[in-house]
Amino acid sequence: QVQIVQSGAEVKKPGASVKVSCKASGYTFTTYAIHWVRQAPGQRLEWMGWIDTNNGNTKYSQKFQGRVTITRDTSASTAYMELSSLRFEDTAVYYCARYGSGSYGYWGQGTLVTVSS
Amino acid sequence: QSALTQPPSASGSPGQSVTISCTGTSSDVGGYNYVSWYQQHPGKAPKLMIYEVTKRPSGVPDRFSGSKSGNTASLTVSGLQAEDEADYYCISYAGSSNLVFGGGTKLTVL
Repeated sequence: QVQIVQSGAEVKKPGASVKVSCKASGYTFTTYAIHWVRQAPGQRLEWMGWIDTNNGNTKYSQKFQGRVTITRDTSASTAYMELSSLRFEDTAVYYCARYGSGSYGYWGQGTLVTVSS
Repeated sequence: QSALTQPPSASGSPGQSVTISCTGTSSDVGGYNYVSWYQQHPGKAPKLMIYEVTKRPSGVPDRFSGSKSGNTASLTVSGLQAEDEADYYCISYAGSSNLVFGGGTKLTVL
């Protein structure tokens, strides 16, 4: 069965970087893109970007361009999202999700990133 | 891209039907049949309820249905049940490998 498991919660200081992992299993990793979506406390879902797991091509939301980097390791069936120059307002739950048929059929459990001094 | 417009809240009594709208533009909702709907309970990851405007994934009750007219997509929940109380989000493909999200609707079962 398809499973997507993310790394654990992180606490970072302003200005630091955070890297969240997203390990997929139960299907051929390179068949589906992986997207990253975040949700600040009490707020709506916000799309960050995605990676074509087959060729490594990426697309980022204009809001995060320059601060976010999405990569993948096909040998480990794992995608990564790194967000730099963290600000207090980056405190959120970060989700990765498998994209297919124009939708997110499978989601990770979410990773809480807290930015605190 | 601007976010898709959803009503902040909706409500209905058990057994009733409720419809949640999702309004975009001809560049997203109106231009592609790639609108999907997600249910999110507090503290949980979103769950896919409808994809490609009208299709239901395996395991999703047929009480949930989707439609689209012009630049507005809709999610209808029939025969409301207590467990349907959640936040609902729409997402649309917007061309050039971009996606646009709705602001979310809090559904309350009275």
